[in-house]
Amino acid sequence: AQRVTQPEKLLSVFKGAPVELKCNYSYSGSPELFWYVQYSRQRLQLLLRHISRESIKGFTADLNKGETSFHLKKPFAQEEDSAMYYCALTQAGTALIFGKGTTLSVSS
Amino acid sequence: GAVVSQHPSRVICKSGTSVKIECRSLDFQATTMFWYRQFPKQSLMLMATSNEGSKATYEQGVEKDKFLINHASLTLSTLTVTSAHPEDSSFYICSASSLQGGRYGYTFGSGTRLTVV
Repeated sequence: AQRVTQPEKLLSVFKGAPVELKCNYSYSGSPELFWYVQYSRQRLQLLLRHISRESIKGFTADLNKGETSFHLKKPFAQEEDSAMYYCALTQAGTALIFGKGTTLSVSS
Repeated sequence: GAVVSQHPSRVICKSGTSVKIECRSLDFQATTMFWYRQFPKQSLMLMATSNEGSKATYEQGVEKDKFLINHASLTLSTLTVTSAHPEDSSFYICSASSLQGGRYGYTFGSGTRLTVV
């Protein structure tokens, strides 16, 4: 069955600390993995996708097929990074399947 | 960039009445539109997938007669919650997919907060 697991509901860090938001998935086939972010009172926005292999707002994520993981990382967290982060997967234009989300709280 | 407009953003209705939610792709033609439901502090649960001109495909456990989806054009999909009850109160979000530079992109509406009283 297709499943995305984000084990942490809440992650609290201090400004300047490294951040790692965990995401594991189970899928038969070759999915595409995404990270979406939802800032307070705003709509879901694409943060990054594994195919692009780019860094957005200092965040990176590497797809590890052996561990079926797609963890999101940032070396130095900023207060404006506080938001809800969702890991998601899809294949060939079908619906995105979301994890339960992790709330990142960055305090000074 | 691609924009999806969703209306209304908030609606309160009486139990037993029906509510229609619209989802429009403003500057692109959506190959497919998806409807999600989100409970407080929980993930987005896929309700149904709709393609223009064909019947929507509903996820297991979603009543198709309760949540009517119409996808009359490549830019508009509607979700009608029929005979709404308090347990239907939730946050409903639409998403539209399209091919962008050879890859599928997904754009989300801002969501509709439905409260049934």
